[in-house]
Amino acid sequence: DAGVIQSPRHEVTEMGQEVTLRCKPISGHDYLFWYRQTMMRGLELLIYFNNNVPIDDSGMPEDRFSAKMPNASFSTLKIQPSEPRDSAVYFCASSPRQGRTYEQYFGPGTRLTVT
Amino acid sequence: GQQVMQIPQYQHVQEGEDFTTYCNSSTTLSNIQWYKQRPGGHPVFLIQLVKSGEVKKQKRLTFQFGEAKKNSSLHITATQTTDVGTYFCAGLDSGDMRFGAGTRLTVKP
Repeated sequence: DAGVIQSPRHEVTEMGQEVTLRCKPISGHDYLFWYRQTMMRGLELLIYFNNNVPIDDSGMPEDRFSAKMPNASFSTLKIQPSEPRDSAVYFCASSPRQGRTYEQYFGPGTRLTVT
Repeated sequence: GQQVMQIPQYQHVQEGEDFTTYCNSSTTLSNIQWYKQRPGGHPVFLIQLVKSGEVKKQKRLTFQFGEAKKNSSLHITATQTTDVGTYFCAGLDSGDMRFGAGTRLTVKP
């Protein structure tokens, strides 16, 4: 298995532009998580899905952020319009959550820079 | 809501010294997990602890889960330069998993 795949790996955009981050979870994993990591705030859970359904989006900063999971093998995190304070590394993770196993497998991340 | 506190925030050790990071939860946890993130990398799962008082070892790493299932620790014996990175705990409570802020370990050769 290729693991969790994220694209792009790096994104540089100007303030006000729309940014779309993509994630392909590990096949068979029922849970998908989006995290944001910064030096100041650490690793923050933004939203997670179970079987493609958003379960908890309380970590989404504001209405400029939206996430979708149209099918079991694809998810997007969209920021519109982007702002410099959105600069961070965004991780996608998936988890099988079978039985008592809850380990999460993280993708390589997308480093977003908003200028 | 659930909060997971992790200390220390940073730890710098001489190669060969031991290292310990501690994780404390405001609520009783179903399980706790530990992850390691190398500089520039992504968090990688190390281990999961489920039972009260559980102790697990992985070579030089020893993981403990407290009797009350509200705290945990990771101890590294005789650190090596390959141990550098940030170690995160993540506690699961009522289906919600919360990550600690992490302990950043640097090792001087």
